[in-house]
Amino acid sequence: DIVMTQSPDSLAVSMGERATINCKSSQSVLHSSNNKNYLAWYQQKPGQPPKLLIYWASTRESGVPDRFSGSGSGTDFTLTISSLQAEDVAVYYCQQYYSTPITFGPGTKVDIK
Amino acid sequence: QVQLQESGPGLVKPSETLSLTCTVSGGSISSYYWSWIRQPPGKGLEWIGYIHNSGSTNYNPSLKSRVTISLDTSKNQFSLKLSSVTAADTAMYYCATTYGGSGYGYWGQGTLVTVSS
Repeated sequence: DIVMTQSPDSLAVSMGERATINCKSSQSVLHSSNNKNYLAWYQQKPGQPPKLLIYWASTRESGVPDRFSGSGSGTDFTLTISSLQAEDVAVYYCQQYYSTPITFGPGTKVDIK
Repeated sequence: QVQLQESGPGLVKPSETLSLTCTVSGGSISSYYWSWIRQPPGKGLEWIGYIHNSGSTNYNPSLKSRVTISLDTSKNQFSLKLSSVTAADTAMYYCATTYGGSGYGYWGQGTLVTVSS
């Protein structure tokens, strides 16, 4: 199984400031056949299912604000919220879909400072 | 717009079988992959498995001996059965699909299943 880890476990950022979440996979999720990273990011608010934000490590899902961006390749990835808004308070998960079993990171809780 | 809705008992006794159904609307279950994912209270997400419209399945090895996912194209539904449940199987159960995209873009609202006598 590919093990996903995230750091930090939680962070508090002032409104309008940048929030950065890191995700690491235990093996590369970059597929050599298409040069794509099989890595997605989700946002989950209390009482709601996860919402897809980013796929292929850096492609924003339709309708997701452009303050959310994803970067990285291979085993190391980052989700950045460029200017934190009140509605961004949530838990964020990374997920690999390179191989089964599909696995998720443990989550990073983002709060307002 | 594809929509998913889970249904099934909210309480299951230990050692019994958990059975849930996901009803799909706004799209056809005759294409793509259809998955179950669960989340214990206050914890992270665990992928249970998926079924392809061809009927082929892929399960998490940690649950494989107890899981069955099936498809009913006539009702546009797919189902989850998890046998020999224990308290550790208490969780919010979500059905989800990529619907041909990348990443799980479509989720049900989830259904909480508690295992208790």
